[in-house]
Amino acid sequence: GENVEQHPSTLSVQEGDSAVIKCTYSDSASNYFPWYKQELGKGPQLIIDIRSNVGEKKDQRIAVTLNKTAKHFSLHITETQPEDSAVYFCAASTGSARQLTFGSGTQLTVLP
Amino acid sequence: GAVVSQHPSRVICKSGTSVKIECRSLDFQATTMFWYRQFPKKSLMLMATSNEGSKATYEQGVEKDKFLINHASLTLSTLTVTSAHPEDSSFYICSAPGQGRFDGYTFGSGTRLTVV
Repeated sequence: GENVEQHPSTLSVQEGDSAVIKCTYSDSASNYFPWYKQELGKGPQLIIDIRSNVGEKKDQRIAVTLNKTAKHFSLHITETQPEDSAVYFCAASTGSARQLTFGSGTQLTVLP
Repeated sequence: GAVVSQHPSRVICKSGTSVKIECRSLDFQATTMFWYRQFPKKSLMLMATSNEGSKATYEQGVEKDKFLINHASLTLSTLTVTSAHPEDSSFYICSAPGQGRFDGYTFGSGTRLTVV
């Protein structure tokens, strides 16, 4: 089955700096790669996703890049703010109605 | 957008009792519902997949007799933790895939179960 590895497990940045979180996946059939933000005691919230037919997607301060050949994808958050502090999970899926396989999570702390 | 309503958000129960967690798709039909379990500071682990009108598919190592899943309608899936023990204490989250081929997944808000 699919295996998703995520790094780093913790990340601290100064407010205004950028944060990068990286994930690798093992199943070349995976074609959907979402990123979730999870705050304490809440369910995951989708922040951005990318399909395998594109290499990069951006939404304001958040961007995701995908390298299908190397089987890795990354989350980039620019101009970080304290409210960005949360746990971020990457995930991979082989398609609609298929299960998501999650990475181990990254605790992001943005220091004011 | 699509919303999955999960209840209760928190529940405390005594050992040996059963607890039911409900997930409802509010504005779409969810033929499939994924149930996850999350330990503190850990990732989401898939427990089972429920499909409307058929038996749930459980992941390896998940006791189907302890974690009863029912998907009675296109808008309701339930997880019942039977004969709960303290080690069942965890955060349980449901998720439904989107309706379109390239739609994402919608997550419930989670249920914090504490067994005392």
